[in-house]
Amino acid sequence: QSVLTQPPSVSAAPGQTVTISCSGSTSNIGNNYVFWYQQRLPGTAPKLLIYDNNNRPSGIPDRFSGSKSGTSATLGITGLQTGDEADYYCGTWDTSLSSHIFGTGTKVTVL
Amino acid sequence: QVQLQQSGPGLVKPSETLSLTCAVSGSSISSNYYWGWIRQPPGKGLEWIGSIFQSGTTYHNPSLERRVTISIDTTQNQFSLKMSSLTAADTAVYFCARHRWFGYDSLSRNWFDPWGQGTLVNVSS
Repeated sequence: QSVLTQPPSVSAAPGQTVTISCSGSTSNIGNNYVFWYQQRLPGTAPKLLIYDNNNRPSGIPDRFSGSKSGTSATLGITGLQTGDEADYYCGTWDTSLSSHIFGTGTKVTVL
Repeated sequence: QVQLQQSGPGLVKPSETLSLTCAVSGSSISSNYYWGWIRQPPGKGLEWIGSIFQSGTTYHNPSLERRVTISIDTTQNQFSLKMSSLTAADTAVYFCARHRWFGYDSLSRNWFDPWGQGTLVNVSS
């Protein structure tokens, strides 16, 4: 059972904005950097979307953004497109567990 | 461009040992990176299994540590996973990935990019 909690699903119409929360604690998000991944289909290779809380790798559109405050992090997607339908996971290091951990995952549906 | 190509059996019997290999191209595995394994049970989320540095230093998920061995072969530019005493609960898609890791006790920067294509491992008799 993951210690990073995400909403199971979020949805919005094309062009709208969605936000995905990732809630943790001082042993993980509170003291370490957060990363976000997109997995288009279950069982396929995830892709890095956001690194170091709020930075985008080369090739990731600026419609994707990340932020962190205290023990929570947020992924935002603006101008939602059908191609954004996917599962999204947050990830970070947990100092108490001495383990890398992932969030529970959020399915984004474009209505 | 770094690419990771996984190989290994898709069906393993209960109590036996899983063996997977990840061949790296476009980068020397002796570079200053870690190399990791992550798995995803059907319909569930991602779980880190463990990672290895080019020196052979390994780190494991404490919940799996007793059953996991990760090794590196710099001559073949590949790394491998062995997981013993398998049960049906180990049925999952297994991914390899380059693991960027800076810091341990605080302000740790820890991410996986890129990933291998994934291998579905079914534990069944």
